[in-house]
Amino acid sequence: AQSVTQLGSHVSVSEGALVLLRCNYSSSVPPYLFWYVQYPNQGLQLLLKYTTGATLVKGINGFEAEFKKSETSFHLTKPSAHMSDAAEYFCAVSVYGGSQGNLIFGKGTKLSVKP
Amino acid sequence: KAGVTQTPRYLIKTRGQQVTLSCSPISGHRSVSWYQQTPGQGLQFLFEYFSETQRNKGNFPGRFSGRQFSNSRSEMNVSTLELGDSALYLCASSLYASVKNEKLFFGSGTQLSVL
Repeated sequence: AQSVTQLGSHVSVSEGALVLLRCNYSSSVPPYLFWYVQYPNQGLQLLLKYTTGATLVKGINGFEAEFKKSETSFHLTKPSAHMSDAAEYFCAVSVYGGSQGNLIFGKGTKLSVKP
Repeated sequence: KAGVTQTPRYLIKTRGQQVTLSCSPISGHRSVSWYQQTPGQGLQFLFEYFSETQRNKGNFPGRFSGRQFSNSRSEMNVSTLELGDSALYLCASSLYASVKNEKLFFGSGTQLSVL
C-alpha cells in the first residue's frame, strides 16, 4: 500500500536560508508524487509534480524537488527562503482510486520564516 | 477562469444537526473530490464524483454523503453532527477522474465548527 511520511511537523528557517522539507514515500508501483502548499485560510495549491522522466522537478516560486528512487524520497528545497514562503507544505503520492481517493497526503510540514 | 468555489466559508452548528456544503468546480472540470482536514488526522479523503457518479469513497461513516449534479456542482451532507466533525472541508476539482498524474485544484474550504 502507498503511504507518505513527512519528517518534521514544523520547520523554521531564517529569511535567505535554504529550505529543506523532507518526504519519504512507500509505493508498490512507480509513484507519481506531488508537493502542495497551503497558505493560511486557503486551499491547497500545486507546487510541483513528478510523473516520469527527469528526476529533478522545478515548480513555482523557486521550489524544486528531487525524486530519488533508491532512497524512496522526494524532498522539497528552495535555495533562499522568503517571508512569503511561510505556509504548510504537503507531500502526496498518487494512487489509482479506491478508498483513499486519488492522492494520499502526508501530515504536512509547517514552515516558519524568521526575519 | 474562476477557481473552485466553496460555500459557505464558515459554518457553526450544534451536535445532532445536519449540514450541507456546496462546491462549484472550475468550468469544464467533471471530477470533484472532497477531503476533510483536521490538525490531528491531516487530510482524509471523503469521496469523489465524476459525471454524477460516485467513483470512490473513503472510510467515513454513512452520515457523510454527497452528490453531483449535471453541471458538475457537488454537495456533501453530514447528518447527526458530532463534535469530531469539526474540520475544514476541502473540495478539489479536476478534468478527469482517477488519473494518476491529474492535477487537483482546491477551493478555500468550508470551516465547520460543531458545538
